[in-house]
Amino acid sequence: GAVVSQHPSRVICKSGTSVKIECRSLDFQATTMFWYRQFPKKSLMLMATSNEGSKATYEQGVEKDKFLINHASLTLSTLTVTSAHPEDSSFYICSARAWDRDGYTFGSGTRLTVV
Amino acid sequence: EDQVTQSPEALRLQEGESSSLNCSYTVSGLRGLFWYRQDPGKGPEFLFTLYSAGEEKEKERLKATLTKKESFLHITAPKPEDSATYLCAVQGNRDDKIIFGKGTRLHILP
Repeated sequence: GAVVSQHPSRVICKSGTSVKIECRSLDFQATTMFWYRQFPKKSLMLMATSNEGSKATYEQGVEKDKFLINHASLTLSTLTVTSAHPEDSSFYICSARAWDRDGYTFGSGTRLTVV
Repeated sequence: EDQVTQSPEALRLQEGESSSLNCSYTVSGLRGLFWYRQDPGKGPEFLFTLYSAGEEKEKERLKATLTKKESFLHITAPKPEDSATYLCAVQGNRDDKIIFGKGTRLHILP
């Protein structure tokens, strides 16, 4: 139980294009999901908190117009990287918590490479 | 500001050589301290949540403990498959965010 599915696992896109990453809670409902970014051999940096039915809350320094977050249902949150540039290349991970679980469950991550 | 510091950054052990990883934290009202395991190219895998000082939890060769200032992840007689990055995170009472430390990269040599 408490599975979070994240797609795609890998994506390569051209500079200037947009990429959408999906995060789904498969067997529970999540009013809140979190999006993280991770650089090689570094820890997870929280980008934003995604709230179902309302606007996401972004961390300081994260461009909300560049990283668009939509949480339209209790089981799906999406992160769209708009007008991607090579510096946006990174590992993006989402997480959510089921009400009856002890900890937060993470997706398997998306490796984004912008060329 | 909530903060998590993990040490050491990296640790190499021989198979069977027990050791401990440290997680020091400062947080406004601790709601939970979390330990995760992360393998390369994967998302973190949940291990433990600790809620109050004095609490301990065990899972196979791992045991997590908590004081008011730090947490330890004790690894007893580790095996090569225990090699991974171990992440510590805290959640305070101001909001639902969890803040991660930089992790300890553990390598167990056969």
